[in-house]
Amino acid sequence: AQSVTQLGSHVSVSEGALVLLRCNYSSSVPPYLFWYVQYPNQGLQLLLKYTSAATLVKGINGFEAEFKKSETSFHLTKPSAHMSDAAEYFCAVSENFGNEKLTFGTGTRLTIIP
Amino acid sequence: NAGVMQNPRHLVRRRGQEARLRCSPMKGHSHVYWYRQLPEEGLKFMVYLQKENIIDESGMPKERFSAEFPKEGPSILRIQQVVRGDSAAYFCASSLGRNQPQHFGDGTRLSIL
Repeated sequence: AQSVTQLGSHVSVSEGALVLLRCNYSSSVPPYLFWYVQYPNQGLQLLLKYTSAATLVKGINGFEAEFKKSETSFHLTKPSAHMSDAAEYFCAVSENFGNEKLTFGTGTRLTIIP
Repeated sequence: NAGVMQNPRHLVRRRGQEARLRCSPMKGHSHVYWYRQLPEEGLKFMVYLQKENIIDESGMPKERFSAEFPKEGPSILRIQQVVRGDSAAYFCASSLGRNQPQHFGDGTRLSIL
């Protein structure tokens, strides 16, 4: 069975500061990993995905994530926070070999302090 | 708008009524997924469909819930005899194929009075 743990349901950073959102996964097979962003009253937008190619994955809006198998982690980072980054962020895992259902973490709400 | 379209955006039902949620996938996508999001929680997988077929319904409640994706028209998530606990946001996603990224609609927020 696969699962995702997001440490910190709420994270606040100052504008211009580093953003770090944590995600640890559990999977019985090499996983596909995703980060999604959700703005209020909207659906989820894909930020980036890991599919066993490069371990450092670059996404949209300046975000990137690094897959670390030894730590079973896929933390999301952005060097400099912008006010528009305020949203809820979800990490998700999907196992290979045709298992399409995504298993989501409980989300991290990111607040940007002016 | 070439994205995943869900309607209605908001749906209010009284206990015991039926709720029908519609999802039109992105153009060219033949794989549809339904998820439910309870307040302050992440999305929970419900069902995965391809045209005219249910591929994985392991997340669907055993009673009152059903889903279809007919050859023509949108995918429908149907909830019969709704109860207060069905209040949630229901999201549809679509993809080009297996192991392809899922693109999400803006959801239907279901409120049960």
